[in-house]
Amino acid sequence: DAGVIQSPRHEVTEMGQEVTLRCKPISGHNSLFWYRQTMMRGLELLIYFNNNVPIDDSGMPEDRFSAKMPNASFSTLKIQPSEPRDSAVYFCASSLRRVPNYGYTFGSGTRLTVV
Amino acid sequence: DQQVKQNSPSLSVQEGRISILNCDYTNSMFDYFLWYKKYPAEGPTFLISISSIKDKNEDGRFTVFLNKSAKHLSLHIVPSQPGDSAVYFCAASKTGNQFYFGTGTSLTVIP
Repeated sequence: DAGVIQSPRHEVTEMGQEVTLRCKPISGHNSLFWYRQTMMRGLELLIYFNNNVPIDDSGMPEDRFSAKMPNASFSTLKIQPSEPRDSAVYFCASSLRRVPNYGYTFGSGTRLTVV
Repeated sequence: DQQVKQNSPSLSVQEGRISILNCDYTNSMFDYFLWYKKYPAEGPTFLISISSIKDKNEDGRFTVFLNKSAKHLSLHIVPSQPGDSAVYFCAASKTGNQFYFGTGTSLTVIP
């Protein structure tokens, strides 16, 4: 299995532009998570899906952030408009169950820089 | 509000010595805990877990200790190796809900 695949690996964009991050979970995993890593807050859960349905989006910072999971093999996280404070590493993770004993499988992340 | 805290942003240890990474949590309902290891430019990978019904879990050089009364867990690495240099995250959950992660501790093992 190729693991959780995220694209792009790096994104540099100007403030105000729309940014779309993409994730392909491990085949067969039914839970998908979007995390953001910052120095101050560590790994923050933004949103998670179970069977393609958003279950908890309380971690989404504000209305500028949105996430979709149109099918079991693809999810997007969109920021519109982007701001410099959105600069961080964004991780996607998937699992067979919402709280598996072995944790989640993370992708390699997308490093977002908003200038 | 940070429910899982790692108060030491960094730690340096000599090769062969013990590394002790600490983690505190605030929610007494948490009953499952994990440690993740993260290398630069990679995603976190699962390292070791412990359930609240135990106070210790060992896997090779890695041992996790849980002190429920103190709401504290620690990861011991013995002996430490240069390849252990990474960022370590602890995570906690209440069964059926998502994991909450700490801010991470960057471990450097000096050859």
